[in-house]
Amino acid sequence: NAGVTQTPKFRVLKTGQSMTLLCAQDMNHEYMYWYRQDPGMGLRLIHYSVGEGTTAKGEVPDGYNVSRLKKQNFLLGLESAAPSQTSVYFCASSYSSQGALYEQYFGPGTRLTVT
Amino acid sequence: AQKITQTQPGMFVQEKEAVTLDCTYDTSDQSYGLFWYKQPSSGEMIFLIYQGSYDEQNATEGRYSLNFQKARKSANLVISASQLGDSAMYFCAMREPMDSSYKLIFGSGTRLLVRP
Repeated sequence: NAGVTQTPKFRVLKTGQSMTLLCAQDMNHEYMYWYRQDPGMGLRLIHYSVGEGTTAKGEVPDGYNVSRLKKQNFLLGLESAAPSQTSVYFCASSYSSQGALYEQYFGPGTRLTVT
Repeated sequence: AQKITQTQPGMFVQEKEAVTLDCTYDTSDQSYGLFWYKQPSSGEMIFLIYQGSYDEQNATEGRYSLNFQKARKSANLVISASQLGDSAMYFCAMREPMDSSYKLIFGSGTRLLVRP
């Protein structure tokens, strides 16, 4: 199993450019999440999905959009990148069974710089 | 609003000694979960240990244990017999119990440096 993978690993954008970050998991998890991590801070939730075809806003959703057309993929889009979106982006997935929660599995991260 | 507080930005520990990383949380919910993750310099997030709010015993996973004091709303991570490879950022996180989305709220982290 590859677990959670993210594409790309690094990217440099100019202000105003757009891009899509791809997250894929092969564990058949229902739940998927996008976080951003800024220096000196913990991870903050951008958007999440509780199943195929569903998405919801997290703590810091402005400037981002997401889609979950397939259960295994969760896409994060930046329509018009801003320097404030320079960050490390993490995707995570998890599942629950009979009400029991299991830990979130994280991807390796994408380091995005917006100039 | 729920909140996680880690008051130690950085800590040192001598190799082979034990160290405690502090975490306090704030919630009005009765059902919640607490997690600790490790982030080495390579950047990945590694799950260490989990404690449920209704668990009567403190969670343990190898050299990691969670000192759960519900009345004080604290969930400190104890690492016994520190190793050089334990040098990393450590994040405490709480699962939001509402709406079954299982979102995590993270603290700002503690950077641990193990001295040889």
